[in-house]
Amino acid sequence: QLQLQQSGPGLVKPSQTLSLTCAISGDSVSSNSAAWNWIRQSPSRGLEWLGKTYYRSNWFSDYAVSVKSRITINPDTSRNQVSLQLNSVTPEDTAVYYCARDTRWSPGRFDPWGQGTLVTVSS
Amino acid sequence: QSALTQPASVSGSPGQSITISCTGTSSDIGVYNYVSWYQHHPGKAPKLMIYDVSNRPSGVSNRFSGSKSGNTASLTISGLQAEDEADYYCGSYTTTSTQVFGTGTKVTVL
Repeated sequence: QLQLQQSGPGLVKPSQTLSLTCAISGDSVSSNSAAWNWIRQSPSRGLEWLGKTYYRSNWFSDYAVSVKSRITINPDTSRNQVSLQLNSVTPEDTAVYYCARDTRWSPGRFDPWGQGTLVTVSS
Repeated sequence: QSALTQPASVSGSPGQSITISCTGTSSDIGVYNYVSWYQHHPGKAPKLMIYDVSNRPSGVSNRFSGSKSGNTASLTISGLQAEDEADYYCGSYTTTSTQVFGTGTKVTVL
């Protein structure tokens, strides 16, 4: 059974880097059919897709325009996990962050989701 | 990529049917049959309710159904129950290989 377990700090200072990881069990980060996404949810912005990474004979990443200049999503094949880095954070980046899988056959079918990590940006 | 447009709130009495609309563009909903719907209760991860416009994952009640016409998708909840009270979000794949979500709809069971 596929499970996603998130970890990372819940408090980040303004202008610093938000870093989260998503450990995958029951599938491979290098799967040729899966994509590994990061999504956040806040009361003011609702659900917001941030980006994804996936392997299709080579590694690719796609990012939302709203965060493209600040975001990096990387696979870690040795640990079977995916990481999120968001640079130069502001209080507007305060949100619950989720990782989720979808597939090349059904993009946007996010299932399952990680448990979520509340990240607060504050000094 | 702008968020898909949903009504801010929809309400209904127990047993009634409600429909939530989700309006996009010819760069997302209008061109792909990759529309999904999520139920979100505060403090929990979103739950997939519908994928590929009208497919239900295993375990999701058949009271939930989805459809699409042109640039607009819809989620219908029939036989409304108290447990259906939650926020609902639509989502669509886009022509730039990204994903866009809707603005969200709060469903209230009267």
